[in-house]
Amino acid sequence: DTGVSQDPRHKITKRGQNVTFRCDPISEHNRLYWYRQTLGQGPEFLTYFQNEAQLEKSRLLSDRFSAERPKGSFSTLEIQRTEQGDSAMYLCASTLGRYGYTFGSGTRLTVV
Amino acid sequence: ILNVEQSPQSLHVQEGDSTNFTCSFPSSNFYALHWYRWETAKSPEALFVMTLNGDEKKKGRISATLNTKEGYSYLYIKGSQPEDSATYLCALTNNNDMRFGAGTRLTVKP
Repeated sequence: DTGVSQDPRHKITKRGQNVTFRCDPISEHNRLYWYRQTLGQGPEFLTYFQNEAQLEKSRLLSDRFSAERPKGSFSTLEIQRTEQGDSAMYLCASTLGRYGYTFGSGTRLTVV
Repeated sequence: ILNVEQSPQSLHVQEGDSTNFTCSFPSSNFYALHWYRWETAKSPEALFVMTLNGDEKKKGRISATLNTKEGYSYLYIKGSQPEDSATYLCALTNNNDMRFGAGTRLTVKP
Protein backbone atom coordinates (compact mmCIF):
# COMPACT_ATOMS: atom_id res chain seq x y z
CA ASP A 1 0.00 0.00 0.00
CA THR A 2 1.59 3.24 -1.10
CA GLY A 3 -1.03 5.62 0.29
CA VAL A 4 -1.41 7.41 3.60
CA SER A 5 -2.98 5.18 6.22
CA GLN A 6 -4.67 6.20 9.43
CA ASP A 7 -5.62 4.09 12.38
CA PRO A 8 -8.18 3.61 13.76
CA ARG A 9 -10.89 4.54 11.24
CA HIS A 10 -13.42 5.14 14.00
CA LYS A 11 -13.05 5.77 17.71
CA ILE A 12 -15.80 6.19 20.27
CA THR A 13 -14.61 7.27 23.68
CA LYS A 14 -16.08 8.55 26.91
CA ARG A 15 -15.52 12.14 27.89
CA GLY A 16 -12.38 12.49 29.95
CA GLN A 17 -10.54 9.56 28.39
CA ASN A 18 -7.32 9.87 26.42
CA VAL A 19 -7.13 8.78 22.77
CA THR A 20 -4.25 8.36 20.34
CA PHE A 21 -4.40 8.21 16.57
CA ARG A 22 -1.70 7.09 14.19
CA CYS A 23 -0.80 8.23 10.69
CA ASP A 24 1.60 6.41 8.36
CA PRO A 25 2.52 8.76 5.49
CA ILE A 26 3.91 7.88 2.08
CA SER A 27 7.44 6.78 2.89
CA GLU A 28 9.41 9.34 0.86
CA HIS A 29 7.23 12.30 1.96
CA ASN A 30 9.07 14.49 4.43
CA ARG A 31 6.12 16.71 5.39
CA LEU A 32 3.15 15.51 7.40
CA TYR A 33 0.07 17.51 8.33
CA TRP A 34 -2.79 16.95 10.75
CA TYR A 35 -6.19 18.52 10.07
CA ARG A 36 -9.51 18.39 11.87
CA GLN A 37 -12.88 18.62 10.21
CA THR A 38 -16.09 19.23 12.11
CA LEU A 39 -19.56 19.06 10.60
CA GLY A 40 -20.16 21.76 8.01
CA GLN A 41 -16.58 23.01 8.04
CA GLY A 42 -13.60 22.48 5.77
CA PRO A 43 -10.50 20.80 7.16
CA GLU A 44 -8.77 23.03 9.76
CA PHE A 45 -5.01 22.96 10.12
CA LEU A 46 -3.76 21.56 13.44
CA THR A 47 -0.02 20.96 13.09
CA TYR A 48 2.72 20.13 10.62
CA PHE A 49 6.02 18.25 10.67
CA GLN A 50 9.01 18.40 8.41
CA ASN A 51 10.77 15.11 9.05
CA GLU A 52 10.71 14.75 12.86
CA ALA A 53 10.52 18.48 13.60
CA GLN A 54 7.14 19.97 14.51
CA LEU A 55 7.35 23.30 12.71
CA GLU A 56 3.94 24.79 13.27
CA LYS A 57 1.08 24.33 15.66
CA SER A 58 -2.33 25.94 15.32
CA ARG A 59 -3.95 27.89 18.13
CA LEU A 60 -6.75 25.32 17.76
CA LEU A 61 -4.38 22.80 19.33
CA SER A 62 -4.93 23.25 23.07
CA ASP A 63 -2.52 21.86 25.63
CA ARG A 64 -4.63 18.68 25.73
CA PHE A 65 -3.40 17.90 22.20
CA SER A 66 0.07 16.63 21.43
CA ALA A 67 1.58 15.29 18.23
CA GLU A 68 4.82 13.49 17.58
CA ARG A 69 6.74 12.15 14.64
CA PRO A 70 9.62 10.43 16.42
CA LYS A 71 11.70 9.17 13.51
CA GLY A 72 10.32 11.31 10.75
CA SER A 73 8.11 8.45 9.61
CA PHE A 74 4.73 7.75 11.26
CA SER A 75 3.04 10.32 13.46
CA THR A 76 0.73 10.12 16.45
CA LEU A 77 -1.85 12.61 17.65
CA GLU A 78 -2.93 12.30 21.26
CA ILE A 79 -5.88 14.01 22.88
CA GLN A 80 -5.96 13.97 26.66
CA ARG A 81 -9.11 14.38 28.75
CA THR A 82 -11.35 14.35 25.69
CA GLU A 83 -14.32 16.71 25.52
CA GLN A 84 -17.45 16.47 23.39
CA GLY A 85 -16.17 19.35 21.27
CA ASP A 86 -13.27 17.16 20.20
CA SER A 87 -15.66 15.00 18.16
CA ALA A 88 -14.54 15.41 14.57
CA MET A 89 -12.80 13.75 11.65
CA TYR A 90 -9.02 13.90 12.10
CA LEU A 91 -7.21 13.84 8.75
CA CYS A 92 -3.54 13.27 8.05
CA ALA A 93 -1.83 14.32 4.82
CA SER A 94 1.72 14.00 3.55
CA THR A 95 3.68 15.67 0.79
CA LEU A 96 7.15 16.18 -0.60
CA GLY A 97 6.52 19.85 -1.28
CA ARG A 98 3.76 22.32 -1.90
CA TYR A 99 2.12 20.15 -4.56
CA GLY A 100 0.61 16.74 -4.45
CA TYR A 101 -0.76 16.40 -0.94
CA THR A 102 -2.05 12.89 -0.27
CA PHE A 103 -4.66 12.37 2.41
CA GLY A 104 -5.48 9.41 4.58
CA SER A 105 -9.06 8.27 5.06
CA GLY A 106 -9.21 9.93 8.45
CA THR A 107 -10.09 8.89 11.98
CA ARG A 108 -13.60 9.76 13.05
CA LEU A 109 -13.68 10.49 16.78
CA THR A 110 -16.93 10.52 18.73
CA VAL A 111 -16.79 11.61 22.36
CA VAL A 112 -19.84 10.55 24.35
CA ILE B 1 -4.15 34.77 7.86
CA LEU B 2 -5.33 32.93 4.77
CA ASN B 3 -9.07 33.11 4.36
CA VAL B 4 -10.50 30.80 1.72
CA GLU B 5 -14.19 31.05 0.98
CA GLN B 6 -16.32 28.75 -1.11
CA SER B 7 -19.80 29.28 -2.47
CA PRO B 8 -22.40 28.01 -2.51
CA GLN B 9 -22.24 25.91 0.64
CA SER B 10 -24.46 23.27 -0.95
CA LEU B 11 -25.97 22.63 -4.33
CA HIS B 12 -28.62 20.24 -5.61
CA VAL B 13 -28.81 19.64 -9.36
CA GLN B 14 -30.53 17.20 -11.69
CA GLU B 15 -28.56 14.57 -13.60
CA GLY B 16 -27.38 16.12 -16.85
CA ASP B 17 -27.25 19.70 -15.56
CA SER B 18 -23.99 21.60 -15.74
CA THR B 19 -22.90 23.44 -12.63
CA ASN B 20 -20.11 25.53 -11.20
CA PHE B 21 -18.82 26.70 -7.83
CA THR B 22 -16.49 29.43 -6.66
CA CYS B 23 -13.42 29.57 -4.46
CA SER B 24 -12.25 33.03 -3.31
CA PHE B 25 -8.91 33.75 -1.66
CA PRO B 26 -6.58 36.65 -0.91
CA SER B 27 -4.55 37.43 -4.01
CA SER B 28 -1.38 38.43 -2.16
CA ASN B 29 1.40 35.86 -1.55
CA PHE B 30 -0.36 33.32 -3.74
CA TYR B 31 1.51 30.09 -4.44
CA ALA B 32 -0.95 27.42 -5.56
CA LEU B 33 -4.65 26.63 -5.57
CA HIS B 34 -5.84 23.04 -5.14
CA TRP B 35 -9.22 21.45 -5.79
CA TYR B 36 -10.18 18.19 -4.06
CA ARG B 37 -13.21 15.95 -4.27
CA TRP B 38 -14.18 14.33 -0.99
CA GLU B 39 -16.68 11.52 -1.02
CA THR B 40 -18.14 10.22 2.21
CA ALA B 41 -15.94 7.63 3.95
CA LYS B 42 -13.07 8.17 1.48
CA SER B 43 -9.89 10.25 1.39
CA PRO B 44 -10.02 13.65 -0.31
CA GLU B 45 -8.97 13.05 -3.91
CA ALA B 46 -6.82 15.64 -5.65
CA LEU B 47 -8.44 17.03 -8.80
CA PHE B 48 -6.27 19.96 -9.85
CA VAL B 49 -3.32 22.06 -8.75
CA MET B 50 -3.04 25.46 -10.41
CA THR B 51 -0.31 28.02 -9.98
CA LEU B 52 -0.43 30.53 -12.85
CA ASN B 53 -2.93 33.29 -13.44
CA GLY B 54 -5.19 32.20 -16.28
CA ASP B 55 -4.53 28.49 -15.73
CA GLU B 56 -7.26 26.20 -16.97
CA LYS B 57 -7.26 22.52 -16.15
CA LYS B 58 -9.60 19.78 -17.34
CA LYS B 59 -10.23 16.20 -16.25
CA GLY B 60 -13.10 14.52 -18.10
CA ARG B 61 -16.26 16.51 -17.46
CA ILE B 62 -14.65 18.62 -14.73
CA SER B 63 -12.63 21.75 -15.41
CA ALA B 64 -11.24 24.62 -13.37
CA THR B 65 -10.00 28.14 -14.00
CA LEU B 66 -7.79 30.41 -11.93
CA ASN B 67 -7.59 34.20 -11.59
CA THR B 68 -4.85 35.09 -9.12
CA LYS B 69 -5.14 38.85 -9.67
CA GLU B 70 -8.71 39.01 -8.45
CA GLY B 71 -8.41 35.99 -6.16
CA TYR B 72 -10.87 33.40 -7.40
CA SER B 73 -11.12 30.00 -9.00
CA TYR B 74 -14.13 28.35 -10.61
CA LEU B 75 -14.81 24.62 -10.80
CA TYR B 76 -17.17 23.50 -13.57
CA ILE B 77 -18.90 20.16 -13.97
CA LYS B 78 -20.50 19.49 -17.34
CA GLY B 79 -23.45 17.10 -17.52
CA SER B 80 -23.49 16.18 -13.81
CA GLN B 81 -23.89 12.53 -12.90
CA PRO B 82 -25.02 11.02 -9.57
CA GLU B 83 -21.46 9.78 -9.00
CA ASP B 84 -20.30 13.42 -8.98
CA SER B 85 -22.10 13.85 -5.65
CA ALA B 86 -19.41 14.81 -3.13
CA THR B 87 -17.95 17.75 -1.25
CA TYR B 88 -15.61 19.81 -3.41
CA LEU B 89 -12.87 21.51 -1.41
CA CYS B 90 -10.49 24.18 -2.54
CA ALA B 91 -7.26 24.88 -0.69
CA LEU B 92 -4.73 27.67 -0.96
CA THR B 93 -1.03 27.04 -0.50
CA ASN B 94 1.13 29.91 0.71
CA ASN B 95 4.75 29.07 1.63
CA ASN B 96 4.38 26.23 4.13
CA ASP B 97 0.75 26.90 4.90
CA MET B 98 -2.26 25.22 3.30
CA ARG B 99 -5.76 26.45 4.11
CA PHE B 100 -9.03 24.89 3.04
CA GLY B 101 -12.36 26.41 2.29
CA ALA B 102 -15.46 24.94 3.93
CA GLY B 103 -16.36 23.12 0.73
CA THR B 104 -19.35 22.96 -1.58
CA ARG B 105 -21.51 19.90 -1.05
CA LEU B 106 -22.92 18.79 -4.41
CA THR B 107 -25.87 16.42 -4.70
CA VAL B 108 -26.82 15.19 -8.16
CA LYS B 109 -30.31 13.72 -8.34
CA PRO B 110 -30.98 10.97 -10.90
